[in-house]
Formats: sequence, C-alpha cells, structure tokens
Amino acid sequence: EVQLVESGGGLVKPGGSLRLSCAASGFTFSSYSMNWVRQAPGKGLEWVSSISSSSSYIYYADSVKGRFTISRDNAKNSLYLQMNSLRAEDTAVYYCARDLTGLYWFDPWGQGTLVTVSS
Amino acid sequence: NFMLTQPHSVSESPGKTVTISCTGSSGSIASNYVQWYQQRPGSAPTTVIYEDNQRPSGVPDRFSGSIDSSSNSASLTISGLKTEDEADYYCQSYDSSNHGVFGGGTKLTVL
Repeated sequence: EVQLVESGGGLVKPGGSLRLSCAASGFTFSSYSMNWVRQAPGKGLEWVSSISSSSSYIYYADSVKGRFTISRDNAKNSLYLQMNSLRAEDTAVYYCARDLTGLYWFDPWGQGTLVTVSS
Repeated sequence: NFMLTQPHSVSESPGKTVTISCTGSSGSIASNYVQWYQQRPGSAPTTVIYEDNQRPSGVPDRFSGSIDSSSNSASLTISGLKTEDEADYYCQSYDSSNHGVFGGGTKLTVL
C-alpha cells in the first residue's frame, strides 16, 4: 500500500524553526517528485514546494522562498521541509504529496501534520 | 501570476447534477493538466479527476471533468448527487514557473 506519513509538527514561537519529515512506503520513492502543500485552519490548499526525484529541480512558493528548504533522502525514503523564520501566517496543516506523473498530479497525500506558530 | 478561481459554494439536491467551475486568470488553462480533489472534513484531499477528464480507479463515473478553452475554464460535474458527495472540491494545475496552483475551493452542500 502506498503511504505517506508526516511528522514533526508542533507549537513554535514566531521567528522559530521546525523541521517536518515525510516517510514514504509502498512505492519506489526515488522515482517520483514530491511536494509539500499546506492548509491554514478553515482555509484552502496552498502549494508550498516541490523537489524532483534526484533533487535537481526545486521550486518554492513566493510566500516561503528564502525561509523554507525542501530536501529528500532517497536512501531513507524520506522527504523533509526545514522551516525557518516562522510567522503566524505559516500556521497550517502541512501535507506531503507524491507527484504521480511529473505534471503536478498530487497523489496520494499524507494525513498531514499541524504546525502552529504562536507566542 | 496564474490563478484559478472557483465559486465559494454550491448546493443541490440528492439525485441532481451539479457543475463546479474553475477559471484560469491568464494564459490558456488548456496548457497544463487540471486535477480535481475532494476533501472531507478532517481528511486529506483525494483525487476525483486527473489530467482534465480522467477518473482514478475507484471514483464513480458520476464524476466527470472537462475543459472549455473558450471560457478558459475547467469544470467538475457530479451527476446523481449523493449525500456522501458533500465535501470541499479543489481544482489544481501549475504555472509556467513550475509552481503548483490551487483554486480557492468550493464547498458542495447536498440537501
């Protein structure tokens, strides 16, 4: 069964840092681009970042560029999101999602991990 | 920046047909594939339509997708509405900078 499991969320103060992880199983992780998508409480979905299968291509939403860093470890079947200089507006559930075709079809998604930025 | 605009909410009765629109802000929405996701409260999104009009296995054929280049929009149509279809629906594509783009989401109420 294809599965993505996020971890690392929690409560952090403004200006703080947090590292999210996404453990993948049930498929050949190293063959797929991966993405982070977030959803603020009661709001819609917002694409955050993507990374190609070999980490050669990395893209960020303007709202997080310069503060967040996406990375992956294909040997560990894991995706990461290092989040620095966190702001209240970064409060959201963060989902990792596989790009099934390389054309930004996100499937499947993990269950999400909640990040709360508050003093 | 490329944006996708959806109606905030739609409602319809069980057994009826509803169509949710997704309008592109610039360029041609037909340039890149559009996906549609269903999200129920407290759950992660799941795909109901991919590559404009393809249904993943397990998604009933009551769900269909289309592209209208003349209006630069994509549409999700759900026929034979069931109460279980009540959820939020998001269209999604990507732009020329390889940034993912989501519509704002449409809350479907089946009453």
